[in-house]
Amino acid sequence: QVTLRESGPALVKPTQTLTLTCTFSGFSITTSGMSVGWIRQPPGKALEWLALINWDDDKYYNTSLRTRLTISKDTSKNQVLLTMTNMDPVDTATYYCARMIQGLKDGLDVWGQGTTVTVSS
Amino acid sequence: DIVMTQSPDSLAVSLGERATINCKSSQSVFFSSNNKNYLAWYQQRPGQPPKLLIYWASTRESGVPDRFSGSGSGTDFTLTINSLQAEDVAVYYCHHSYSTPPYTFGQGTKLEIK
Repeated sequence: QVTLRESGPALVKPTQTLTLTCTFSGFSITTSGMSVGWIRQPPGKALEWLALINWDDDKYYNTSLRTRLTISKDTSKNQVLLTMTNMDPVDTATYYCARMIQGLKDGLDVWGQGTTVTVSS
Repeated sequence: DIVMTQSPDSLAVSLGERATINCKSSQSVFFSSNNKNYLAWYQQRPGQPPKLLIYWASTRESGVPDRFSGSGSGTDFTLTINSLQAEDVAVYYCHHSYSTPPYTFGQGTKLEIK
């Protein structure tokens, strides 16, 4: 069974750096075609694609947020990390991680439940 | 970046009737080398994470009822829900995964029961 679970602080202060962890099971991110992405959703708003990391360690970012984002993976722990610097109240959102298998479905086929992050002083 | 635009933003359909949601991409998401459109549809029920319904524009994900269907190619796509059920109330998103990221989402379409 494939599962993903997001974890991180529920509250961060403006200007702080947010670090989120996606812990997954049921698949290996080193398998060819495997990717894990991060997506966020402000309250009552649409989904926003943030970043993606591939099995071969290629990394991709949202164009407007790329200077603030870093995605990485720890294959020994089955984790994908996302850091976002200089947090602002507009970054308040539910943050999701999800799996994509490129060449098999090319869609985000399994999602975590999400973790809610509030940015406030 | 490819911009995904959905229409309408919201719609209300009677139980048992058909719902149609459109998605337009700012450039083609069709890959001629494998004849695939890199377009997916997701359903997000209130308080839940999104769920993959359709990938490659028209391939239904395992376990998704066959009243859900996807169509279209290139830049214009449609999600059709036949015989609307109460559990279909949700927000629906299109999403492209064409070429290299960023992979953007549409703004969402809220589906309600009339």
